Amino acid sequence: DVQLEESGGGLVQPGGSLRLSCAASGFMFYSYSMNWVRQAPGKGLEWLSYISSGGHNQQYADSVKGRFTISRDNAGDSLYLQMNRLRDDDTGVYYCVRQSPFDSDEVLISDAFDVWGQGTLVTVSS
Amino acid sequence: DIQMTQSPSSLSASVGDRVTITCRASQSISSFLNWYQKKPGKAPKLLIYAASSLHSGVPSRFSGSGSGTDFTLTISGLQPEDFATYYCQQSNSAPTFTFGPGTTVEIK
Repeated sequence: DVQLEESGGGLVQPGGSLRLSCAASGFMFYSYSMNWVRQAPGKGLEWLSYISSGGHNQQYADSVKGRFTISRDNAGDSLYLQMNRLRDDDTGVYYCVRQSPFDSDEVLISDAFDVWGQGTLVTVSS
Repeated sequence: DIQMTQSPSSLSASVGDRVTITCRASQSISSFLNWYQKKPGKAPKLLIYAASSLHSGVPSRFSGSGSGTDFTLTISGLQPEDFATYYCQQSNSAPTFTFGPGTTVEIK
């Protein structure tokens, strides 16, 4: 089965740090770009960060740029999110997400998030 | 940055109803538009990619249409398991992405 399993969430004080991990299984992890998406309590889905399959290209949402760092270990089939200078509004459920290219007649027609982990809860509070 | 809007923000419907949700992009995104279903306590699920292509395993009562800036998700014959929140997502600016604010489908 294709699976993603997040870990590392918990309670942290404002200004603190936390490192999330995501273990992938059932697919060729090294072949896929990966992302982190979060959902704050009572809010919608928010894309946070992207990393290319080889790890050389990273992108961030403005809300986390300069504070969060995405990385991956293809030998260990793992994705990470280092979160520093955490704020109250970083509270939420964090999802590890696989990005797949969908094509038609070998032409890319969309990148979509086709595999999601169950999420890990991060609570930032004093 | 591309902004996404959805309407309505919520709706009430009965089992068997036909439901339509609209998503609008702040600029043309061609057909780089995906739809997800989210239930409380569960991970989101991909329903539709490229505006109108049904993802593997998704029931055929779900359909999508549109291109450019205006898109719709239609559920033909609402089932009890379809009560959830639906999000559109643009992938035109990949590898950065934007979700819409969501539309909650509630039981009437």
